[in-house]
Amino acid sequence: QVQLQESGPGLVKPSQTLSLTCTVSGGSISSNASFWTWIRQPAGKGLEWIGRLYTGGTTNYNPSLKSRVTISLDASENQFSLKLTSVTAADTAVYYCARAPLGSYSDYWGQGALVTVSS
Amino acid sequence: SYVLTQPPSVSVAPGQTASMTCGGNKIGNKNVHWYQQMPGQAPALVIYYDKDRPSGIPERFSGSNSGNTATLTISRVEAGDEADYYCQVWDSNNDRVVFGGGTKLTVL
Repeated sequence: QVQLQESGPGLVKPSQTLSLTCTVSGGSISSNASFWTWIRQPAGKGLEWIGRLYTGGTTNYNPSLKSRVTISLDASENQFSLKLTSVTAADTAVYYCARAPLGSYSDYWGQGALVTVSS
Repeated sequence: SYVLTQPPSVSVAPGQTASMTCGGNKIGNKNVHWYQQMPGQAPALVIYYDKDRPSGIPERFSGSNSGNTATLTISRVEAGDEADYYCQVWDSNNDRVVFGGGTKLTVL
């Protein structure tokens, strides 16, 4: 059973960089045909896809966030990470990491990490 | 960019059938996936590739997709089905995942 767990600071100051890590257990992050994904959800609102990383290195990002987002992978630690630069209050949300086999649907999700952007 | 439209809310009595729609331009040509999100929890996949159910999802959950509308149907609705439901597709023109705005299912 694959499990994912987000970790990182729960409070980030405006204009700084939000950094989160997702640790994968119960399976190798280098599994064939898996995309590793970040999704966020502001309080009381819907889901917003941030981007995904294929184990081969290919990335896709939400065009609305592309200039500020980097998703990277550390196979040795079985982790992947999210960096979002120049954050504002609008980036306050619960951030989820998820696995997307074949890059289509997301079948395993982390429990979510609340990140608040505030001075 | 591709847009998915879901009704904000659907209400149904226990034991009845709930149908939640997801509208999009020629969505019938895309693969649609559905997620259930209970309050305070992460979303969980309930239907993938229009109509397939992951292991552990009851047969009461079914999906269909044709034309400009995909539908998630829950038969014999139970109180425990009360949740937010989101549809999702891959927008191949922009290489991105798109979610619908979500439908809150209320069991009366």
